[in-house]
Amino acid sequence: DAKTTQPPSMDCAEGRAANLPCNHSTISGNEYVYWYRQIHSQGPQYIIHGLKNNETNEMASLIITEDRKSSTLILPHATLRDTAVYYCIVGVLNQLTFGKGTKLSVIP
Amino acid sequence: DAGVIQSPRHEVTEMGQEVTLRCKPISGHDYLFWYRQTMMRGLELLIYFNNNVPIDDSGMPEDRFSAKMPNASFSTLKIQPSEPRDSAVYFCASSYDRPWLIYTEAFFGQGTRLTVV
Repeated sequence: DAKTTQPPSMDCAEGRAANLPCNHSTISGNEYVYWYRQIHSQGPQYIIHGLKNNETNEMASLIITEDRKSSTLILPHATLRDTAVYYCIVGVLNQLTFGKGTKLSVIP
Repeated sequence: DAGVIQSPRHEVTEMGQEVTLRCKPISGHDYLFWYRQTMMRGLELLIYFNNNVPIDDSGMPEDRFSAKMPNASFSTLKIQPSEPRDSAVYFCASSYDRPWLIYTEAFFGQGTRLTVV
């Protein structure tokens, strides 16, 4: 069973920030939070990961609450090409369990 | 590097036939994963290898499924005999692990869309 809860779908206006929430209340101390996305008909693509500190890379920012029970993926300026299913996963490298994810639709 | 390469991209076969899916991981990666994706069940991890050795095959649905990794650059997933409920997209992914790295990402191939009629 997936250890995360995500909204099934979200809309975001093009050029605006997309904030995708994830609840992971049962996360263990050694488990990371990973985000992947899957654009239609393609394989999943890694976005970002974190343990307890906030992280930022060229694609996105990851905000993890202090108790680590939830996190938010932020796409600062969403484009139409960011339309995809976004998966929040907790665990370790060799045990990535994908849930249903959030289908993000970026609207022109 | 061309990334993880899977073949074929599409496969249509009749029920009862043997199906073999192929995967070439990224050179230098020592982990290889096989996933299956369906609308009903989403992405499921079937099996993964480390240094060509199967580590966890608990996700393999039944004995009709088997996976091998004869060398570091090639893996197969075989279904024999195939059934209509095996219709899905099968993804292969690879990664590497080094003691000085906290985490490295998994790179996925483009998948093989299998249809069993």
